[in-house]
Amino acid sequence: QSALTQPASVSGSPGQSITISCTGTSSDVGGYNYVSWYQQHPGKAPKLMIYEVSNRPSGVSNRFSGSKSGNTASLTISGLQAEDEADYYCSSYTTISTLFGTGTKVTVL
Amino acid sequence: EVQLVESGGDLVQPGGSLRLSCAASGFTFSSYEMNWVRQPPGKGPEWVSYITSSGSIIYYADSVKGRFTISRDNARNSLYLQMNSLRAEDTAVYYCARDLKQGRGGDVFDIWGQGTMVTVSS
Repeated sequence: QSALTQPASVSGSPGQSITISCTGTSSDVGGYNYVSWYQQHPGKAPKLMIYEVSNRPSGVSNRFSGSKSGNTASLTISGLQAEDEADYYCSSYTTISTLFGTGTKVTVL
Repeated sequence: EVQLVESGGDLVQPGGSLRLSCAASGFTFSSYEMNWVRQPPGKGPEWVSYITSSGSIIYYADSVKGRFTISRDNARNSLYLQMNSLRAEDTAVYYCARDLKQGRGGDVFDIWGQGTMVTVSS
């Protein structure tokens, strides 16, 4: 199984909205509504931001939203803030294991 | 406070063994399915292993099957990973992670520890 494909980097100015894509196949992203997104700051553990495509855990800002179309899932960060600068990883359930994405570095300009 | 604290990471030679531990606190450990997830330096996370709340069902990634063993002691609120026949490609930060969703075999990781570094090198 190959990792899910994400853009290496995405950038935006404070206040703007950005979207990160996560592309898989019909065996993972496209086959289940079980896509999650994690935020990771340098030297820290990943933090769950979105699960089951569009659900936010308690305590996560509503500036973060998720969606899915076919084999591609997306994470949108609206009202970009300096603290959003981090690496973001998607993940998807499969019948064999959970797959993670290649990761996207978000830079706030 | 809900917390997971890993320990046991070290520098080990190829072919060697290591046992990682994860101490849980702040929640009813025995009610949750648990996982080990690793992250090689500069790369994305990789799911390693999963265990149900009772320990009756266990899954492994193909990359570690036959070499790693996950276990838990609910009386001690602890999760373990016994790693044998270690290879250079096992070098990573190892995290224990709680499963938010039950019954899907390691899917949504809502609580992570701070990680413990395992380096396999001669």
